[in-house]
Amino acid sequence: QKEVEQDPGPLSVPEGAIVSLNCTYSNSAFQYFMWYRQYSRKGPELLMYTYSSGNKEDGRFTAQVDKSSKYISLFIRDSQPSDSATYLCAMSLKRGAQKLVFGQGTRLTINP
Amino acid sequence: NAGVTQTPKFQVLKTGQSMTLQCAQDMNHEYMSWYRQDPGMGLRLIHYSVGAGITDQGEVPNGYNVSRSTTEDFPLRLLSAAPSQTSVYFCASSYSGSLATHSGQYFGPGTRLTVT
Repeated sequence: QKEVEQDPGPLSVPEGAIVSLNCTYSNSAFQYFMWYRQYSRKGPELLMYTYSSGNKEDGRFTAQVDKSSKYISLFIRDSQPSDSATYLCAMSLKRGAQKLVFGQGTRLTINP
Repeated sequence: NAGVTQTPKFQVLKTGQSMTLQCAQDMNHEYMSWYRQDPGMGLRLIHYSVGAGITDQGEVPNGYNVSRSTTEDFPLRLLSAAPSQTSVYFCASSYSGSLATHSGQYFGPGTRLTVT
């Protein structure tokens, strides 16, 4: 069993929809949680960085962490075609995102 | 700032050949790492370094060597290429210590390697 599980999709939704992306993990020692966005043939770029349980909002993006359930989510409101990408969750034991453990990535398409 | 740069962008090797993937960063980051990305597997950590002269193994280190002689550079060497090493390779860097709060890793554009 992988330490971090993420539904690979693909996920296709109409423009303007609310998107929910999720990851579950097995190692309760993970302390830092990240979401990366990766456009086709590009390197991943950091979207959200959270520590401990709770919500963090940044514009149209909300990251949610539930450590008791070992479950993290990323919500995208008012989705745009430019949000079409692969979204990767990542986790770390240490501050500074060292030794990241990634989910498989979810391929998301927003249809105009 | 150029950020994290990687060369080459593409490479085709024959089985048994060796090569070095180059990675450099100009952000004065202490921490650097190499990942490989395969379909359905996400990114997996190969090797990492917490500073010049210090390296350690990640999840999938076999067949790869690294060294860190300067803060800026972190090359990845394939000793004897195998078809199983066909993948996309990403280099990443980040702060460590007190500067690391709320920051993630910065990734390079990747090197697409095919071993035939």
